[in-house]
Amino acid sequence: GENVEQHPSTLSVQEGDSAVIKCTYSDSASNYFPWYKQELGKGPQLIIDIRSNVGEKKDQRIAVTLNKTAKHFSLHITETQPEDSAVYFCAAKWSNYQLIWGAGTKLIIKP
Amino acid sequence: DAGITQSPRHKVTETGTPVTLRCHQTENHRYMYWYRQDPGHGLRLIHYSYGVKDTDKGEVSDGYSVSRSKTEDFLLTLESATSSQTSVYFCAISESNPTSGGTETQYFGPGTRLLVL
Repeated sequence: GENVEQHPSTLSVQEGDSAVIKCTYSDSASNYFPWYKQELGKGPQLIIDIRSNVGEKKDQRIAVTLNKTAKHFSLHITETQPEDSAVYFCAAKWSNYQLIWGAGTKLIIKP
Repeated sequence: DAGITQSPRHKVTETGTPVTLRCHQTENHRYMYWYRQDPGHGLRLIHYSYGVKDTDKGEVSDGYSVSRSKTEDFLLTLESATSSQTSVYFCAISESNPTSGGTETQYFGPGTRLLVL
């Protein structure tokens, strides 16, 4: 089955700097890779996703890149702000109905 | 926000007692999921449903059962709660993607924090 590894588990960056979170997956058949943001006390919320037919997708300060050959994908946040502090999860689609999740990255934005 | 509510939001119970958590959606989405979230493990799928009375097991289904008698409601039952089931439980919903096949984006409820003493 699919396995998703996420690194780092904690990331601390200075406000205004960039943050990068990386995930690797095992099943080459996976074709959909979402990223979710979870704020304290809330459920995860989709922030960006990418399908296997594209290599990069951007939405304002957030971008995701996908390397199908190496089976890894990354989340990039530029010009980080205090409200970016949260736990971020990557996931990979496995079977038609399931997502397999990374263990999460706690992002801390230092003022 | 997706129209998903979970009840109760917090519960404390004793080992050996039955517990039922409810997920209610107003989106008429076909697919519903129950996850548990524990530190260092991310989200782990317990059970999911692909229609009324159609359910299947996820990776951590032992000790849990589910029922879906209506599109809008998905119940998770711990028949005899154990301390290892102390966790935060999230319900999620999803709809079919006719272009790509299957489902993709999942929308989450606010979670239920369960403590088993």
